[in-house]
Amino acid sequence: GAVVSQHPSRVICKSGTSVKIECRSLDFQATTMFWYRQFPKQSLMLMATSNEGSKATYEQGVEKDKFLINHASLTLSTLTVTSAHPEDSSFYICSAGARTSGTLYNEQFFGPGTRLTVL
Amino acid sequence: AQTVTQSQPEMSVQEAETVTLSCTYDTSESDYYLFWYKQPPSRQMILVIRQEAYKQQNATENRFSVNFQKAAKSFSLKISDSQLGDAAMYFCAYRSRTGTASKLTFGTGTRLQVTL
Repeated sequence: GAVVSQHPSRVICKSGTSVKIECRSLDFQATTMFWYRQFPKQSLMLMATSNEGSKATYEQGVEKDKFLINHASLTLSTLTVTSAHPEDSSFYICSAGARTSGTLYNEQFFGPGTRLTVL
Repeated sequence: AQTVTQSQPEMSVQEAETVTLSCTYDTSESDYYLFWYKQPPSRQMILVIRQEAYKQQNATENRFSVNFQKAAKSFSLKISDSQLGDAAMYFCAYRSRTGTASKLTFGTGTRLQVTL
């Protein structure tokens, strides 16, 4: 199966700093990557969809200037939480959709998630 | 917009028994995918089973099977011979059949406990 990695797995930062989370597809090319946020004991909420080489599409209510998403290559997308505050503390998960037809097509593969704690 | 509803916040099953998790959804589309994902304590999302709406046959994966009722917009997951390792959050999800750019819409989840 296809593997998606996230780095870091957990990060603690001070309020006001920026944090970058990386999402990589390790053995396939991902045309589209998705970023989710999950609060404790809740479901995954889609934050944005990013396509390689183009601007991300943000869901309603998600501040695009606060959550910067870059999808510079077919294997890497980054989420930067700018000027983080305690309310941004959450579990962030990415998923990647395979680029070409075949057994991986129309499937999304999830990263292991990143736990962000803002002090 | 599509919505996914899981009406059972928590379920419990004894080891080796069978349990069914419920899911209903709402959509105006005729072609789509439905999924069940498992999220264990590690929080890694794991695909359990997938159903394509145009297929009438219910999907099965070993001990996991679904009851897909398209007209009723119902998609339940049956876990047979439950094992301790099945304990997790289970999310039902919907996706349009428009390629990988289509987002997943998740239900609120059902926490499954497996007891000895």
